Amino acid sequence: DQQVKQNSPSLSVQEGRISILNCDYTNSMFDYFLWYKKYPAEGPTFLISISSIKDKNEDGRFTVFLNKSAKHLSLHIVPSQPGDSAVYFCAATRSGAGSYQLTFGKGTKLSVIP
Amino acid sequence: SQTIHQWPATLVQPVGSPLSLECTVEGTSNPNLYWYRQAAGRGLQLLFYSVGIGQISSEVPQNLSASRPQDRQFILSSKKLLLSDSGFYLCAWRLDRGWNEQFFGPGTRLTVL
Repeated sequence: DQQVKQNSPSLSVQEGRISILNCDYTNSMFDYFLWYKKYPAEGPTFLISISSIKDKNEDGRFTVFLNKSAKHLSLHIVPSQPGDSAVYFCAATRSGAGSYQLTFGKGTKLSVIP
Repeated sequence: SQTIHQWPATLVQPVGSPLSLECTVEGTSNPNLYWYRQAAGRGLQLLFYSVGIGQISSEVPQNLSASRPQDRQFILSSKKLLLSDSGFYLCAWRLDRGWNEQFFGPGTRLTVL
């Protein structure tokens, strides 16, 4: 049972335009959500996160939106740059659950075309 | 600042051989430590986590094991590798003070032939 789903395995966007990456979750106990960026043969890099008490968090070109009723979150990158080309993973966790395990989606490969 | 190291970066091993991957964290104390595997075309699967020295929890039954002999050292082992053990192994750490974010090492690419 996949509790965190990224239904788009890949996405291509023109440089300068907006990239929107989507993520859905099924476990209503999740209350904290994170996005990671991963280049080939490297470890994932933490990008941005959001608590379930918020519906938006912004950091520079990156904004994460959370819709709790729909169990959906999205990452917006504006403007997209060629260096943003990578695999993006959505992750979720339940705060206070002891180990703070992260449950990851399968990732979306973003290609930003110059 | 905190840093996390993993080695080796790449490893090619025959089926049935043993495995030892090491992960160390610098610049923090009493971190939570995690081992993940990313198989080809798949997401990140949590294998083990540790909240302290000698404390290991396993998430997925397999022929791998983990140990934490020191506060900032986490080791992934196997006595006999299988072909299905091939993948990209990632170690991660997290502050044991309420933060949810985990920070990953550079990973080890393991190929079992």
